[in-house]
Amino acid sequence: AQTVTQSQPEMSVQEAETVTLSCTYDTSENNYYLFWYKQPPSRQMILVIRQEAYKQQNATENRFSVNFQKAAKSFSLKISDSQLGDTAMYFCAFMTSLHNTDKLIFGTGTRLQVFP
Amino acid sequence: DAGVTQSPTHLIKTRGQQVTLRCSPKSGHDTVSWYQQALGQGPQFIFQYYEEEERQRGNFPDRFSGHQFPNYSSELNVNALLLGDSALYLCASSFFNEQFFGPGTRLTVL
Repeated sequence: AQTVTQSQPEMSVQEAETVTLSCTYDTSENNYYLFWYKQPPSRQMILVIRQEAYKQQNATENRFSVNFQKAAKSFSLKISDSQLGDTAMYFCAFMTSLHNTDKLIFGTGTRLQVFP
Repeated sequence: DAGVTQSPTHLIKTRGQQVTLRCSPKSGHDTVSWYQQALGQGPQFIFQYYEEEERQRGNFPDRFSGHQFPNYSSELNVNALLLGDSALYLCASSFFNEQFFGPGTRLTVL
């Protein structure tokens, strides 16, 4: 069974600085997808970035980028130039590409606080 | 595009009662998944509907059931509510691999 582990329950960063959130996962599959979701206090789960396992190039979306290490089963999220609006819970999630399903398996989350 | 919508926003029930939560998917999406998010935890997959049938189910008891309608909207039903069913229930719709979430329904069981 696949598992997702986020070992940092809480992180804090000063505005305009850079922060990295860690995520590791366990799977025996070769093809899969990885995601980072943001959940602000409003509760809406928002997709931040996605990575296909078959792609060697790390995904980037504006200030958000990932460091995908397939052999190490590691998928960290880097937030550059942190903004107050980045304050939220961040969830790492795994999705298999098999079995004709797109079920997400989530980690326990990292609470990120951006302070002025 | 209205995105994924859920109703109601909040709900309070007592133990033993039954509840129905509703979800309307994003336009063009044909697959609906339901997740339960307990306080301080990540969402847990309940089940997924595609073409009006349950395609996959997570580790939840039969008290949790669902339905998908021809317009792709979906309902989640929970019978014989327990205190432990108190959680945020998230609906997500998808067309291909990428899931879009609704704002959730906060269920409190007293």
